[in-house]
Amino acid sequence: NAGVTQTPKFQVLKTGQSMTLQCAQDMNHEYMSWYRQDPGMGLRLIHYSVGAGITDQGEVPNGYNVSRSTTEDFPLRLLSAAPSQTSVYFCASADGNYGYTFGSGTRLTVV
Amino acid sequence: AQSVTQPDIHITVSEGASLELRCNYSYGATPYLFWYVQSPGQGLQLLLKYFSGDTLVQGIKGFEAEFKRSQSSFNLRKPSVHWSDAAEYFCAVGPNTGFQKLVFGTGTRLLVSP
Repeated sequence: NAGVTQTPKFQVLKTGQSMTLQCAQDMNHEYMSWYRQDPGMGLRLIHYSVGAGITDQGEVPNGYNVSRSTTEDFPLRLLSAAPSQTSVYFCASADGNYGYTFGSGTRLTVV
Repeated sequence: AQSVTQPDIHITVSEGASLELRCNYSYGATPYLFWYVQSPGQGLQLLLKYFSGDTLVQGIKGFEAEFKRSQSSFNLRKPSVHWSDAAEYFCAVGPNTGFQKLVFGTGTRLLVSP
């Protein structure tokens, strides 16, 4: 099915560990974004990309890294996990008309 | 700074009753406006969007929203709520030029009572 695929769906990390959240889309969308969702805070933009090779910071980029080597993939890297990064992470892609498609999310717990 | 306010954290509505979810925004220019719905454990699904033109917009699942520039509001309505509408609803704004960054409100959780 066409859409945005996020892996893994669930992850538990120890403080200080690193990991990569994967995001892939098959709609040939230029725009891709990572959001985190925390209770009572809505969704906050972490990083975004307007095309392969182009990324920029969003509202809460600290502790996260991204790259966009292909149109399809936009992985999010946690460099050294902290309990404050416990959250639900959503990847989204968009066409040129605000046609956002969201993935089903990755629930991350850092202990 | 851009911001979206959804003043109601939770709302409970009886099945069959009407619904209105409030959304106010603060934005430097005329924004594009959106309502998304999130069912438990799921991603976000677009209900409707407003770019320009008619200030009353129709969306999926029988929802509509009205843009009121003078009040900086974009309230979501449904005339008759179904139990399957129980979910969390997010209002969002984005710029009408440049990269399409969405700024979300904190969400309103809708509970539907029998």
